[in-house]
Amino acid sequence: DIQMTQSPSSLSASVGDRVTITCRASQGISNYLAWYQQKPGKVPKLLIYAASTLQSGVPSRFSGSGSGTDFTLTISSLQPEDVATYYCQKYNSAPLTFGQGTRLEIK
Amino acid sequence: QVQLVESGGGVVQPGRSLRLSCAASGFTFSRYGMHWVRQAPGKGLEWVAIISYDGSNKYYADSVKGRFTISRDNSKNSLYVQMNSLRPEDTAVYYCARDRGNGWDHDAFDIWGQGTMVTVSS
Repeated sequence: DIQMTQSPSSLSASVGDRVTITCRASQGISNYLAWYQQKPGKVPKLLIYAASTLQSGVPSRFSGSGSGTDFTLTISSLQPEDVATYYCQKYNSAPLTFGQGTRLEIK
Repeated sequence: QVQLVESGGGVVQPGRSLRLSCAASGFTFSRYGMHWVRQAPGKGLEWVAIISYDGSNKYYADSVKGRFTISRDNSKNSLYVQMNSLRPEDTAVYYCARDRGNGWDHDAFDIWGQGTMVTVSS
């Protein structure tokens, strides 16, 4: 099975910073990659699918890139409401594996 | 509005069974693939199972294969998971989630329920 590895596992940044989270697949998955945001105590929310397509209603400061095995989620200007854990997920074929998550905090 | 509502969680002894339900509303349920995803306390997300829009195609995570069965009733706009031979490591919040596609070609999960807690303990 394909493994999904996120880095870093946790991250602290200041409001207004540019933040980048990386996700690496153990085998190529083309662009079958999604990013989710889970705020503390809340339900996961889809941010990006097809590696770079922004889900409707998601702020434009979020962006995704990559293809094959290496992907990134970028927040262009960190806001206080972005405190959350972020997960990547591959969905090219079952099992639809999630990464282990990246916890983002405000410095 | 588009909504998924899970039910059926609770405390169950190891080795026993439990059936979770997910009621869908606000969209044409029969057009979409559906998933179960779980999250153990303080842990990350774990995909559990998928069922295609018509119920003909199903896949499971290795951790639940042979113990869990996903099903759906499109006439009732409902998704289910029958969980047998439960283990303490099955303790988690269980979410149902909608696939952006029909479940044959997998896609991202765009709608999530609020989750139902399952605790497996003696």
